[in-house]
Amino acid sequence: QKEVEQNSGPLSVPEGAIASLNCTYSDRGSQSFFWYRQYSGKSPELIMFIYSNGDKEDGRFTAQLNKASQYVSLLIRDSQPSDSATYLCAVFSGYSTLTFGKGTMLLVSP
Amino acid sequence: DAGVIQSPRHEVTEMGQEVTLRCKPISGHNSLFWYRQTMMRGLELLIYFNNNVPIDDSGMPEDRFSAKMPNASFSTLKIQPSEPRDSAVYFCASRIANNEQFFGPGTRLTVL
Repeated sequence: QKEVEQNSGPLSVPEGAIASLNCTYSDRGSQSFFWYRQYSGKSPELIMFIYSNGDKEDGRFTAQLNKASQYVSLLIRDSQPSDSATYLCAVFSGYSTLTFGKGTMLLVSP
Repeated sequence: DAGVIQSPRHEVTEMGQEVTLRCKPISGHNSLFWYRQTMMRGLELLIYFNNNVPIDDSGMPEDRFSAKMPNASFSTLKIQPSEPRDSAVYFCASRIANNEQFFGPGTRLTVL
């Protein structure tokens, strides 16, 4: 049974701070990792993906992957109130489907 | 580009009734996914089609659920008979090859 674990939160950070969202996965054969953002009442939308160990930066977002520890994280720099949403970690294990975590709710206060 | 289209957006029905959810994937996408999202269980994959063929239906909760994809531009998810525990948001998603999955707006189903 492939599992993806996330802290449900809410994670509360002040505007301008760094938000750190974490995810662990059980399938050591997992190949690629995705972060989706979901606003309340809306559908998930992809914001980052990472395949290789290390960091990947895209604007204010940085994804970090450590396959040895089976750990992936998302850092959001200079957090804005508009970043308030639920962030879903998803893992692709080569069976053509994604396994999603339950998500972490992020609240950015002005 | 219209994106993934789902209908209806909201459905309220009574226990025992048949419910049919519809999805039109993005043109050219060859994979289609049906998900169910609840607070308790998160986003769960129900069934996955590739080139209109069901590949993995292990997530379909029970025989009351069925899904079809008669052609590349249309899929349905049917629940018969519906039960209150089926209340959830149902998402359809599509992708081409192993690239980004795009989600539809979802159908919020309430079974009374």
